[in-house]
Amino acid sequence: GESVGLHLPTLSVQEGDNSIINCAYSNSASDYFIWYKQESGKGPQFIIDIRSNMDKRQGQRVTVLLNKTVKHLSLQIAATQPGDSAVYFCAENRGAGNKLTFGGGTRVLVKP
Amino acid sequence: DADVTQTPRNRITKTGKRIMLECSQTKGHDRMYWYRQDPGLGLRLIYYSFDVKDINKGEISDGYSVSRQAQAKFSLSLESAIPNQTALYFCATSSRANYGYTFGSGTRLTVV
Repeated sequence: GESVGLHLPTLSVQEGDNSIINCAYSNSASDYFIWYKQESGKGPQFIIDIRSNMDKRQGQRVTVLLNKTVKHLSLQIAATQPGDSAVYFCAENRGAGNKLTFGGGTRVLVKP
Repeated sequence: DADVTQTPRNRITKTGKRIMLECSQTKGHDRMYWYRQDPGLGLRLIYYSFDVKDINKGEISDGYSVSRQAQAKFSLSLESAIPNQTALYFCATSSRANYGYTFGSGTRLTVV
């Protein structure tokens, strides 16, 4: 596959453990946040989103937490599986219109 | 068939050549985007279009142009390709009702 993010921070996690991926955002006016997963050779895929009027949102095995005070977003993956190995990106919508700004990404490696 | 289709998937071109990357979608979305992905830099917005008559520059539009031929088609052109335009290029779509993007599978462009 292509070299997506040769210099990305990497999180190594044992299969079955929980993963936490962090993201700091810069714009206090951002009103919408998304986490994407990108597997090798594929485009980013939507995982979960959260609006700025919420602190927490849960999906299937994933939870997103938003701390607006410190402008911090996290993605928690429960019972991490080999199929969760990928690069994860946070993105924010900075105000009027719909233009997402993406973070640099975190690579997650799941060890068997 | 994929909801968002990009062609070609891979392309090698010479410096100074004109090249067009194409994107078509079957989502019925009115908004389309072109992003560029470089290792360690996440995705950066090149151009976006909120409808057929609306074209806007993103953060890195220099050296690129776009054409929104129809609601379902949005093409990206490099008028005179240069080596630092070597990257992965992604097309994405979204709707007014949902800010989450749907991405294509990407085009790997190499300029030699």
